[in-house]
Amino acid sequence: DVVMTQTPPSLSVAIGQSVSISCKSSQSLVYSDGKTYLHWLLQSSGRSPKRLIYQVSNLDSGVPDRFSGTGSQKDFTLKISRVEAKDLGVYYCAQTTHFPRTFGGGTKLELK
Amino acid sequence: EVLLQQSGAELVRPGSSVKISCKASGYTFTDYYMHWVKQRPEQGLVWIGRINPANGNTVYAEKFKSKATLTADKSSNTAYMQLSSLTSEDTATYFCTTSFAYWGQGTLVTVSS
Repeated sequence: DVVMTQTPPSLSVAIGQSVSISCKSSQSLVYSDGKTYLHWLLQSSGRSPKRLIYQVSNLDSGVPDRFSGTGSQKDFTLKISRVEAKDLGVYYCAQTTHFPRTFGGGTKLELK
Repeated sequence: EVLLQQSGAELVRPGSSVKISCKASGYTFTDYYMHWVKQRPEQGLVWIGRINPANGNTVYAEKFKSKATLTADKSSNTAYMQLSSLTSEDTATYFCTTSFAYWGQGTLVTVSS
């Protein structure tokens, strides 16, 4: 199985700050079609996960451009600029290149 | 608007089975795989498997091959997951999701005598 390692496991942030979350995979996430199926999800407290970014850097509809995703092969980063209160929750990276699909362990974003 | 409406919470006995549903609307049901994901209390997300609603083809994570059975009914745009031989390890919230883009609200399954 592809192991997805997220760091840090938790982050304390002040409103307006910027933060970055790292996600490293144990194998390359480049699929045979040349695309990289690495996605970022946010799960707010008591809610279902919500996809924010797909295929490394593409923002889902309605996601503010304060969010950005970068990376390639096995090394990926989610950056949140000017954190707002509604950004709090647990962030997961997920890969859909290989079976079984796998998730990172999560990064909990909390208010400082 | 894409909606995935899951069935309600279940309290079930150890050793029994449970079948939960996920009714899709707002898109063509057969156009997207339906995945199922497990989340134990205060823990992360674990992929169970996926089904192609167009033809019923399934792929499972190895650890769920004898635990979960995925089916889909094109006539009612509903996906199902049956979990068998339930133990306390199966107590969790289960989500359906269309390729991680849209998610159901989750179904809490509690296994207890």
